[in-house]
Formats: sequence, structure tokens, C-alpha cells
Amino acid sequence: AQTVTQSQPEMSVQEAETVTLSCTYDTSENNYYLFWYKQPPSRQMILVIRQEAYKQQNATENRFSVNFQKAAKSFSLKISDSQLGDTAMYFCAFMMRGGATNKLIFGTGTLLAVQP
Amino acid sequence: DTEVTQTPKHLVMGMTNKKSLKCEQHMGHRAMYWYKQKAKKPPELMFVYSYEKLSINESVPSRFSPECPNSSLLNLHLHALQPEDSALYLCASSPEPLGPYNEQFFGPGTRLTVL
Repeated sequence: AQTVTQSQPEMSVQEAETVTLSCTYDTSENNYYLFWYKQPPSRQMILVIRQEAYKQQNATENRFSVNFQKAAKSFSLKISDSQLGDTAMYFCAFMMRGGATNKLIFGTGTLLAVQP
Repeated sequence: DTEVTQTPKHLVMGMTNKKSLKCEQHMGHRAMYWYKQKAKKPPELMFVYSYEKLSINESVPSRFSPECPNSSLLNLHLHALQPEDSALYLCASSPEPLGPYNEQFFGPGTRLTVL
């Protein structure tokens, strides 16, 4: 069975600085997807970034980038130039490719607070 | 239209009530999901519908009954709930049940309180 671990329950960063959220996962599969989802307080969960395991290049979306280390089973999220609107719960998630369905397996989340 | 809508936003019900949660998407997505989320916890998958057929039931108690009347609509019927069922219920959809077009789009949720 696949598991996803986020070892940082809470983090804080000053506005305009850079922060990295950690995520590790455990799987015996070779083909899968990894996601970071953001859930702001009392607001909708949205996808931040997605990585396909067979792609070596790290995914980037504007100020958000990942460091995907397949051998180490690590998938960290870097947020550059942090903004107050980045304050949210961040969930790392795993999805097997070619499984019976597109089932997301979530980590426990990291609550990020961006301080002014 | 690129969103998933859920009604109602808030629901308070007694343990003997029957109520329903509604989820709608008009993105042509063929997979829809129900999740339960407790405060400061990740979403827990409850049900998956693929092409309007129930494909996954994560051993959810029968007091929760899902229904997919058409490809755009997903309901969750609630009956004889317990106080521990109080949570945020999230609906999500994805373009396909399988394959690479698998980003799940989440609705804002229904905050359910069972008294």
C-alpha cells in the first residue's frame, strides 16, 4: 500500500521569503503521479502543481516548484516570494498510474502561515 | 464553467433526519468523488463514480447513500447520522476515471453538523 508522509505539521514564513514543504512517500510502483494541493482557510482546495514520475524534469508553476527525487521518494514544494494569500493547508498527494481508478492518497498536511 | 458547486454550504441535522447533499459540475468530467474531511485532517475518500456508475465504496456505513442521476450531478443522501459524522463533505470531479487527465477539481464543501 502507498503512504504519504508530511513531517511538518506547521510552518511559518515571512512575506517575500522562500519556504520549502517536505513530502515523502512509499510505493513499490514505478509509474505514478504526485500532487500538491492547497486549501486556504474556509476556501476551496485547489491544485498547485503536478509531477509525473516518469518525467525527470521538476515541475514549475510560477512561484511554485518541486524538487522530485524519485530514488529517495521525496517530493518537496518550494514557494518563492511568499505572499499572504499563500497562507493555507498544503497537502501532498500520490496517485498510481494505471490503477483501477484515479484514487488520491493524501499526506497529513502542512499548515503554512505567511507573516506580514 | 470550470468549477464544482455544492449545496448547501452548511447543514445542521438531527440524528433522525434525512437530508441530501448536492454536487454539480458542467466541465464534462466523467468521474466524480465524495470525500469526508475532519478539521485539520486530509480528505478521506468515500465514493467514486466513473461514467455514472459506482466504482469505489470505501467501506462507508450505509447511512450514507450516494447517487449519480446524470454525468453532471452527484448526490449524497444522509439518514440516521451520528454526531461523529459531523465534518466537511467535499465533492470533486476529474476529466477521466483513469489515465493522465486525472486532476481532481474540488468543490467548496458542505459543512455538516449532526446534533
